[in-house]
Amino acid sequence: AQKVTQAQTEISVVEKEDVTLDCVYETRDTTYYLFWYKQPPSGELVFLIRRNSFDEQNEISGRYSWNFQKSTSSFNFTITASQVVDSAVYFCALTLYNQGGKLIFGQGTELSVKP
Amino acid sequence: DTAVSQTPKYLVTQMGNDKSIKCEQNLGHDTMYWYKQDSKKFLKIMFSYNNKELIINETVPNRFSPKSPDKAHLNLHINSLELGDSAVYFCASSPYRVNEQFFGPGTRLTVL
Repeated sequence: AQKVTQAQTEISVVEKEDVTLDCVYETRDTTYYLFWYKQPPSGELVFLIRRNSFDEQNEISGRYSWNFQKSTSSFNFTITASQVVDSAVYFCALTLYNQGGKLIFGQGTELSVKP
Repeated sequence: DTAVSQTPKYLVTQMGNDKSIKCEQNLGHDTMYWYKQDSKKFLKIMFSYNNKELIINETVPNRFSPKSPDKAHLNLHINSLELGDSAVYFCASSPYRVNEQFFGPGTRLTVL
């Protein structure tokens, strides 16, 4: 069975600190896709990134970066120089090629960035 | 232009009532989904449709029935509402099943 674990339930940092959100996944399939979504206090779910299992390159987008390591089944998300607007719940998710798009979500990590 | 829209945004109703939530996407995507987010923020898929065909039906009570009149719409009808149905329901769409999914704003359902 597939599973996504986000062990950090809540993280609190002060603005300008760097913060890493952990995501560990479980699957026996070789073809899978990983995602991160952001849910700000307003409640909508915002897509951040998608990675397929054959692409282990790290990704950087502005202050956001993602580290995908198949050896440890992890897909961690780092925010550099955090800002108050980064305060949100962040979800890591997994889908398999043959699962019809079913996203399996982790429990979410609530990030609070204080000024 | 809203990509994925849901109506209503809030729904408050009594136990035992029947209610519907509507979802529309103007992205031209082939696949649409319904997810439920509980009070602990846990997100779980309920249904998925691809070109009006049901492809995912998780272990959801029969009281929940999705309907897709065309590939741009996926509605959710709930019969005999129960207290445990209180949650936020999200509609989503994607161009293909393994692509990123774009979510609607959610419908907060409260059953009294």
